[in-house]
Amino acid sequence: GAVVSQHPSWVICKSGTSVKIECRSLDFQATTMFWYRQFPKQSLMLMATSNEGSKATYEQGVEKDKFLINHASLTLSTLTVTSAHPEDSSFYICSARDAGNYGYTFGSGTRLTVV
Amino acid sequence: GENVEQHPSTLSVQEGDSAVIKCTYSDSASNYFPWYKQELGKGPQLIIDIRSNVGEKKDQRIAVTLNKTAKHFSLHITETQPEDSAVYFCPIQGGSEKLVFGKGTKLTVNP
Repeated sequence: GAVVSQHPSWVICKSGTSVKIECRSLDFQATTMFWYRQFPKQSLMLMATSNEGSKATYEQGVEKDKFLINHASLTLSTLTVTSAHPEDSSFYICSARDAGNYGYTFGSGTRLTVV
Repeated sequence: GENVEQHPSTLSVQEGDSAVIKCTYSDSASNYFPWYKQELGKGPQLIIDIRSNVGEKKDQRIAVTLNKTAKHFSLHITETQPEDSAVYFCPIQGGSEKLVFGKGTKLTVNP
């Protein structure tokens, strides 16, 4: 089946630093990738949609200069949290849509803690 | 826009019993109806999905039924096991490509 690899699975960083999260589709091409944020005991909130080779589309209220998204190829998208603050601590999850069968596969998530 | 509501928000059953979770959506353009299971600290995992031209789909102990007229679809789990305990989501894909999630249902299967 379709597999999406997300790294790192957890990261701790200091306030003011930047953190990059990678999302790779391992056995399929993903024309579209999505980034979600999930706070404890809450649902997944869509942050942005990225298409290969074009600028990401951000949801209302999500700061595009703070959450930089790069979708450089059909198998790789990255999310960079810039100048991280403790309130950015959350569980970040990526999803990739299979261009072949239009299914959505999620990564295993990244637990970000900003201290 | 897309909006989805799940009921119940929490569900506790005894091992071996059945569990049913219902989702109601608002966007009549929705054509794809997946169910995801999320265990603690992990990403959501697709367990079953159905498209709008089908009314019911079954995969072993799991089934999904769709009523497009009433705009609701349900997840049915039979012979529940403790490992079925998780949070279940029924995101909606409306006219856009994105999946919009509801609040989820926390299922607890008691041994």
